[in-house]
Amino acid sequence: NAGVTQTPKFRILKIGQSMTLQCTQDMNHNYMYWYRQDPGMGLKLIYYSVGAGITDKGEVPNGYNVSRSTTEDFPLRLELAAPSQTSVYFCASSRFEGDQPQHFGDGTRLSIL
Amino acid sequence: GQQVMQIPQYQHVQEGEDFTTYCNSSTTLSNIQWYKQRPGGHPVFLIQLVKSGEVKKQKRLTFQFGEAKKNSSLHITATQTTDVGTYFCAGPIRVTGGGNKLTFGTGTQLKVEL
Repeated sequence: NAGVTQTPKFRILKIGQSMTLQCTQDMNHNYMYWYRQDPGMGLKLIYYSVGAGITDKGEVPNGYNVSRSTTEDFPLRLELAAPSQTSVYFCASSRFEGDQPQHFGDGTRLSIL
Repeated sequence: GQQVMQIPQYQHVQEGEDFTTYCNSSTTLSNIQWYKQRPGGHPVFLIQLVKSGEVKKQKRLTFQFGEAKKNSSLHITATQTTDVGTYFCAGPIRVTGGGNKLTFGTGTQLKVEL
């Protein structure tokens, strides 16, 4: 069981560069999420999706974009990387919203210099 | 806004000591979930509590859901070095426009010293 797979695991970007963080899940979950976690801090929701073609903003969406063309994939796009976006990014999925556990990927550690 | 808070933020214990983290919500929750994140790892689901006053045990871990369903606690008996990590509670909070969003607490970071 692969669960939630994130790529890449590590990445260093220069200020102003763009990149896409990939996330795929093989559990046929409708709900998918992107969180960021700064060192020693909790999880902040960036974007989430309730199904293919439907996305919505979370707590900290500025500077990010998402798409959900399939049930399996939920990529996160950084258009103009800024040092404030240095963080660990976690993708998660769940079968339903709120009353079902979320399954997390291993994370992408992103540094912007 | 509606929040889920945890205390303490950090806890250092000697191996063998007990540990407790408390989770408080500003609103009544339909359920409470607990996750553990090892250093350098990702959050992993531990357990879900649904009923008022519910108590569940997993080996040395005891989870409790308050009678008013607004608070919860995680107690670890006789901590071991394998218990090191950050423990998060999470509960569904109603959001504007309808639906519930699983909201994670601020987390309690546990360090265990030999």
